[in-house]
Amino acid sequence: AQKVTQAQTEISVVEKEDVTLDCVYETRDTTYYLFWYKQPPSGELVFLIRRNSFDEQNEISGRYSWNFQKSTSSFNFTITASQVVDSAVYFCALTNAGGTSYGKLTFGQGTILTVHP
Amino acid sequence: DGGITQSPKYLFRKEGQNVTLSCEQNLNHDAMYWYRQDPGQGLRLIYYSQIVNDFQKGDIAEGYSVSREKKESFPLTVTSAQKNPTAFYLCASSITAGRDTQYFGPGTRLTVL
Repeated sequence: AQKVTQAQTEISVVEKEDVTLDCVYETRDTTYYLFWYKQPPSGELVFLIRRNSFDEQNEISGRYSWNFQKSTSSFNFTITASQVVDSAVYFCALTNAGGTSYGKLTFGQGTILTVHP
Repeated sequence: DGGITQSPKYLFRKEGQNVTLSCEQNLNHDAMYWYRQDPGQGLRLIYYSQIVNDFQKGDIAEGYSVSREKKESFPLTVTSAQKNPTAFYLCASSITAGRDTQYFGPGTRLTVL
């Protein structure tokens, strides 16, 4: 069975602070894909990043960066110099490449990030 | 513009009624999905469809039904058998089922009165 754990239920920071959102996953598959989505107050899930299990390179996109470590089964997300517009719920998700769970995304519980001005 | 549309945005239902939530995509994606989100929780998969005229149950299919008669449409019916239907429903699509990124619609918030 697959599982995604986002232990931080809520995080509150002041604008310009850096913040890291943790994601720990469990899977028996050797090939899998990890995702981060952002859910602003409007409700729509916005895709941020997709990473496959064979690519452990960290990635940076503007103020966003992701740290994928297979040794600790973690895929953490850091926002540098946070802004009020970053306030949202962030979800980490996992899918395998086939089998009976073909196509299913397993989501974590989400982390509510609030950035205060 | 390419994307996924869901309607209505808000839906109110009386107990015992069936309601159908619409999901349309013009991304030419083969796979489509329905998720349910409850307050403070992650998303759970209701049904998914890999291709037209095919669909499979997800983790919480009881009380729901779907059809996939056209590639661009994947409507979800919430039946009276669904004991706790009040939730936020999100539709998604991907190029193919499995490894491809799923893109989500704006969601429908269903409330049972």
